[in-house]
Amino acid sequence: QVQLVESGGGLVKPGGSLRLSCAASGFTFSDHYMSWIRQAPGKGLEWVSYISSSGTTIYYAGSVKGRFTISRDNAKNSLYLQMNSLRAEDTAVYYCASSAFLGHGMDVWGQGTTVTVSS
Amino acid sequence: DIQMTQSPSSLSASVGDRVTITCRASHSIYNYLSWYQQKPGKAPKLLIYGASSLQSGVPSRFSGSESGTDFTLTISSLQPEDFAIYYCQQGYSTPYTFGQGTTLEIK
Repeated sequence: QVQLVESGGGLVKPGGSLRLSCAASGFTFSDHYMSWIRQAPGKGLEWVSYISSSGTTIYYAGSVKGRFTISRDNAKNSLYLQMNSLRAEDTAVYYCASSAFLGHGMDVWGQGTTVTVSS
Repeated sequence: DIQMTQSPSSLSASVGDRVTITCRASHSIYNYLSWYQQKPGKAPKLLIYGASSLQSGVPSRFSGSESGTDFTLTISSLQPEDFAIYYCQQGYSTPYTFGQGTTLEIK
């Protein structure tokens, strides 16, 4: 079935790094736009980053620009988020999500992976 | 950045009620507006895209509309499984901002 599965979350110290992965199955990954969205504990949703289906167009939220890097490997049906210089305010559940049509909703979401930044 | 302002922030209603949640964009976003439902401990679920198009598999009691920069999500007859948090999101320009959410609670 159509599925996204995130992995790579965990506990990291401030200033540290973490790499999240998102494995896609059940649909043609290379045809879909992909995003990372996060949700801090008890808070709302925050869009983090976007990558086009080919990987040629990338956007970031201002809060992570210069620290996070999104990438994808269409041959491996996988999406990644390299997170460097982590801060306490990056603590959140991180979701990957896919869109069939740019700007018109993310129709498949993963279950989320938790990132905790604490000393 | 485009700001998305949702109202109300919380809402108490009963099964069978008709409820409306509003989202206002700070700039024109045409119809690049989506609505999501999130239940505790779960990922969000897409309900409406393109301001008024119902996502496949979503019950027809959910509907969306637009008027300029104001967007509305309507649930025509609340069911027990509809009590959740609802978010709007604009997909017109980055950052693809979400509204702050509306908590729909059982009265």
